[in-house]
Amino acid sequence: GENVEQHPSTLSVQEGDSAVIKCTYSDSASNYFPWYKQELGKRPQLIIDIRSNVGEKKDQRIAVTLNKTAKHFSLHITETQPEDSAVYFCAASRSNFGNEKLTFGTGTRLTIIP
Amino acid sequence: KAGVTQTPRYLIKTRGQQVTLSCSPISGHRSVSWYQQTPGQGLQFLFEYFSETQRNKGNFPGRFSGRQFSNSRSEMNVSTLELGDSALYLCASSLNTASGETQYFGPGTRLLVL
Repeated sequence: GENVEQHPSTLSVQEGDSAVIKCTYSDSASNYFPWYKQELGKRPQLIIDIRSNVGEKKDQRIAVTLNKTAKHFSLHITETQPEDSAVYFCAASRSNFGNEKLTFGTGTRLTIIP
Repeated sequence: KAGVTQTPRYLIKTRGQQVTLSCSPISGHRSVSWYQQTPGQGLQFLFEYFSETQRNKGNFPGRFSGRQFSNSRSEMNVSTLELGDSALYLCASSLNTASGETQYFGPGTRLLVL
């Protein structure tokens, strides 16, 4: 089955700096890669996703890049703000016109230092 | 549209008991997935239902089961509870279309087994 590894497990950055979280996956058939943000005591919220036919996607301060050959994808947050502090999860699935199961990484606890 | 809802939000049970959790998906969403979240194991896929049929299953023992009703609402049941079943149980719904595989999470049911 699919295995997703996520690094680092914790990350602290100064407010205004950039943060990068990296994930690798094992199943070459995976084609859908979402990123979720989970604040303490709350549900995971989708922040951005990318499909395998795209190499990069950006939404304001958040971007995701995908390297299918190397089987890794990364989340980039620029101009970080205190409200970016949360746990971030990457995930991968074989989405084939249907809902396949998401395999999650182990999460990255991001702390923004004011 | 109302988001994914789950009931109950909190539950305390003792070992050996059984429990039923409920999930109501976003209106129009036909796919419902269940995940277990623990500090040690992270987010793990339990199973996914679509049109009242279980389509995908994770690596959990048979004590974990579920079902889906004709209105897409889903329930999961855990029998003969063990201490290790203490976790946050999250359900997620999706449209299940070529461009609608995004899974939206409910707030979760926090289960404590004593």
